[in-house]
Amino acid sequence: ETGVTQSPTHLIKTRGQQVTLRCSSQSGHNTVSWYQQALGQGPQFIFQYYREEENGRGNFPPRFSGLQFPNYSSELNVNALELDDSALYLCASRPGGGATYYGYTFGSGTRLTVV
Amino acid sequence: DQQVKQNSPSLSVQEGRISILNCDYTNSMFDYFLWYKKYPAEGPTFLISISSIKDKNEDGRFTVFLNKSAKHLSLHIVPSQPGDSAVYFCAASNAGNNRKLIWGLGTSLAVNP
Repeated sequence: ETGVTQSPTHLIKTRGQQVTLRCSSQSGHNTVSWYQQALGQGPQFIFQYYREEENGRGNFPPRFSGLQFPNYSSELNVNALELDDSALYLCASRPGGGATYYGYTFGSGTRLTVV
Repeated sequence: DQQVKQNSPSLSVQEGRISILNCDYTNSMFDYFLWYKKYPAEGPTFLISISSIKDKNEDGRFTVFLNKSAKHLSLHIVPSQPGDSAVYFCAASNAGNNRKLIWGLGTSLAVNP
């Protein structure tokens, strides 16, 4: 089975620009979460999608938005980039959206640098 | 407000000895706890988890202990190996928040040959 793949691996953007990060979830996983990890910090939850619907959101402004597609792949979009958006963006997937719980599988992340 | 705390930023142990990584939490609603290992330039890798209805879970060299009354959990690695050198994150979740993970800041473990 394939794991979680993210693209691109590295990205440099200018302040004010927009960026789209992509994630292919592990086969059979219908729940996808996105996390932001700043240097020296633990990952911070951005949002989660289950069967194409957002079902959880962290403390991130609306310029962070997402999509999940019928094949359960996902996108994270960030508008009006700020310098503080520079971080590692992690995508994670797991099967099931309800109470049954399995460990998340993470991708290797996209390193975004805003200059 | 850091709901999951890992108070030791780093830990160094000798190969073959026990590594003990600690984690404290403040939210009594958490009902599932996980440990992840992270190498540089890679995403976190799931290591072991424990439900709040248990006080111990073991998987090979890795054992997680949960003390609910103290809101404390620990990860024991025995025996430690140089390949265990990585950053270890403690994370917690509960069903009420759709299982989103709340993470600690991580502990960098160095296992010396």
